[in-house]
Parts: sequence; C-alpha cells; structure tokens
Amino acid sequence: DAGVIQSPRHEVTEMGQEVTLRCKPISGHNSLFWYRQTMMRGLELLIYFNNNVPIDDSGMPEDRFSAKMPNASFSTLKIQPSEPRDSAVYFCAIRQGLINEQFFGPGTRLTVL
Amino acid sequence: QKEVEQNSGPLSVPEGAIASLNCTYSDRGSQSFFWYRQYSGKSPELIMFIYSNGDKEDGRFTAQLNKASQYVSLLIRDSQPSDSATYLCAVNPAGGSYIPTFGRGTSLIVHP
Repeated sequence: DAGVIQSPRHEVTEMGQEVTLRCKPISGHNSLFWYRQTMMRGLELLIYFNNNVPIDDSGMPEDRFSAKMPNASFSTLKIQPSEPRDSAVYFCAIRQGLINEQFFGPGTRLTVL
Repeated sequence: QKEVEQNSGPLSVPEGAIASLNCTYSDRGSQSFFWYRQYSGKSPELIMFIYSNGDKEDGRFTAQLNKASQYVSLLIRDSQPSDSATYLCAVNPAGGSYIPTFGRGTSLIVHP
C-alpha cells in the first residue's frame, strides 16, 4: 500500500456533513481512479483522471459527489452533503506497470450516521 | 454494458484441496484479465493476470482463459487457510483504455 496513501483511514460523520477524502499517489503514474466498495454493489468505479484531467465521471452517483486532482501527487473526493447510503469503503488506485494493473491504496472506511 | 460475473460464494474447501474460482464476461473483445485477492478489511492486490487462451501457472496459482466461451478461472492448488479471502476478477476492455470492469468477487474459505 505504500504506493498510494489515503486519509483518513476511517471517517464517521453525521448526515448532512461535508466529507473530504484524500489520496496521495506515488510519482510516475498518469492515471488515478476513485472506487467505492459495498457488499451490495461490489467495487464501483466513480471517476478516473488521466494526466490530472477527469476523463470519465459517469460513475459518480450524483451531484453531491465531486473530485479534483490539482496535481499528479494529490486528489480529493468530496461528498456534500453526505447521506447514510454513502457509507462504504472508498479506494483510490493508480494504474502502473507493464500490464497496466490497478494498484490500490488502503482505502477510507466512511460511515454516515 | 460490460459485465463481469462471479459466484459470490462462499466457496468452502478443506486445507490441501484445489479451489476453483470462475468468472464470465460479456465483452467479447476484452483484452486482458486479472485476478485480485482481497483480505477482509484490506485493499485488493493483484495475484495473477492472463492475456492468451490457455493456462498460466505461478506457484500454486493457475489462471485459465477461454475467450471463445468468455470464461476465465483461477485454480489454487494445495489451498491453505491463509488463502481465505475474496477473489475479484477484473477484465480490461478492447480499445486500449485499460479501465477494468470488476466482478463482485467470490469469497473463499479454506478450513483446516
């Protein structure tokens, strides 16, 4: 997991609050992905960036979700306002290697009460 | 809609047995195929990948690909309790986008 750092690792918040999840990938990649994982829906791609530009955000569930990547070493996923159904584990991943595999960060477990 | 299907399990096998995990995909033009292992509370990690029809072996793991049947499998020989995890199948589409579609995973339990 050292290649991708995510913070916080756990977040508990109340419905209606703003939540910001952070991702710091290692250098040398050009693609970054945000995923959400739940028991019901599995691993869902929310958005991915190529060279810091959002390419496909069709997986973002609704306007309450937004993501930014101001530079190659930092990305944020924001939920405002949060709802209980947003409770999930959110993973940041980069694409790397000769076979273009996904390398995942440790994830942020979000609980919205 | 590209789909990747896996039986959610759990698949329970005794220690030392062969565990067979299966995955089917809908996009006939898919190029590359991956197996990720995810321990409870952890992130997915890549364990195997395969591009060509046939078998690919790496230690106790064998990936099998049949593009005509749109079917990929993972065999784990001499299963160990430490293999207990969820196994996610991921498929890269045609066209070189390298944006994988993940299956929902199969839970494997290896009991002593």
